[in-house]
Amino acid sequence: QKEVEQNSGPLSVPEGAIASLNCTYSDRGSQSFFWYRQYSGKSPELIMSIYSNGDKEDGRFTAQLNKASQYVSLLIRDSQPSDSATYLCAVMKGGNQFYFGTGTSLTVIP
Amino acid sequence: DAGVIQSPRHEVTEMGQEVTLRCKPISGHNSLFWYRQTMMRGLELLIYFNNNVPIDDSGMPEDRFSAKMPNASFSTLKIQPSEPRDSAVYFCATDRADTDTQYFGPGTRLTVL
Repeated sequence: QKEVEQNSGPLSVPEGAIASLNCTYSDRGSQSFFWYRQYSGKSPELIMSIYSNGDKEDGRFTAQLNKASQYVSLLIRDSQPSDSATYLCAVMKGGNQFYFGTGTSLTVIP
Repeated sequence: DAGVIQSPRHEVTEMGQEVTLRCKPISGHNSLFWYRQTMMRGLELLIYFNNNVPIDDSGMPEDRFSAKMPNASFSTLKIQPSEPRDSAVYFCATDRADTDTQYFGPGTRLTVL
């Protein structure tokens, strides 16, 4: 079983819509959760981190964490073509052990 | 700050050759991570250092891979001998002790023929 699972997509949404990206993780002891964005040919960059159950909002982005269900999601409101990228879910277990999902490819159609 | 610096950006080599990838972390960052990214396996953590000390190398695929961090400003990942299945993008990332935010370098795209 993989540490972090994501639907690889591709996910396509029209401009202005809400994009919903999902991620599950296997270890209940996981402590910290992250969403990274990676444009084609570029390196990953952190867009959201979340540590406790519930929602965390930052601009057009909302991260949701449900530890009981071992589920993390990212909502992107008012999606823009510039949001088209691969989104990586990452989980940190104790001692800086980071595990990444294989990513979900998002395309926002103008 | 210049960010995480990696070199070379691209490397093409033949099977059996030694490959050395280099990373200069952001000044003041005391944790350094080496990752490998492929389409099939995604982003995999190979090894990480804390204060120049290797903490966990369980992700290093086999003895052909080795990593060092002789000082706070420099780390290397070496593959000897290289094989075609090592072809991937190798990222170095660093963070500070008081945060979980990793900053990734631009990566080295390695092709082993």
